[in-house]
Amino acid sequence: EIVLTQSPATLSLSPGERATLSCRASRSVNNYLAWYQQKPGQSPRLLIYDASSRATGIPARFSGSGSGTDFTLTISSLEPEDFAVYFCQQRSNWPPFTFGQGTKLEI
Amino acid sequence: QVQLQESGPGLVKPSETLSLICTVSGDSINSHNYYWAWIRQPPGKGLEWIATVHYSGNTFYNPSLKSRITMSVDTSKNQFSLSLSSLTAADTAVYFCSRHSGLRYFDPWGQGTLVTVSS
Repeated sequence: EIVLTQSPATLSLSPGERATLSCRASRSVNNYLAWYQQKPGQSPRLLIYDASSRATGIPARFSGSGSGTDFTLTISSLEPEDFAVYFCQQRSNWPPFTFGQGTKLEI
Repeated sequence: QVQLQESGPGLVKPSETLSLICTVSGDSINSHNYYWAWIRQPPGKGLEWIATVHYSGNTFYNPSLKSRITMSVDTSKNQFSLSLSSLTAADTAVYFCSRHSGLRYFDPWGQGTLVTVSS
């Protein structure tokens, strides 16, 4: 099973700042990695797929990069609605499809 | 646009079997490349993929849960379902259903339904 480790667990920033979230895989997942955003009381929303492709309707301030075992989600300039929990997920080696434990982005 | 809605009992007793249904609207569950999945999230914790099904009946299960899971599809009702047996408190979670396009990523998701396992 591929284990995804996200860091930091919590990231405290202010609106307008740049956020950088990390996801590290226990072995290579090529570029088969996605990022999701989850707000309190809501279901997750797909942001980025295949490491760097934005899902439909996702603002350009969200970008993804990386390949192999190290991946980054960057939010270029934080908006108030971006404060949420972010998860990564791999589809390279399954079953099972696995998720990281999440990074909480707080104000 | 496709929407998914979970339905289930809310509270179940230990050792019993949980049955959940996901109703899909705005898209046909028969679409060739679409698969349909269940994912759960214990309160305050991360996400765990449970299983995925294709309308043809092909199923893919999380090995850690495989012995307790059954997934099925009802194309006439545009629904798919999950059965999870031998419940314990560790199965308490919000259960989400989702479209799992091409066995790649999960999008979109239903709103989720909280299932509590307690006597």
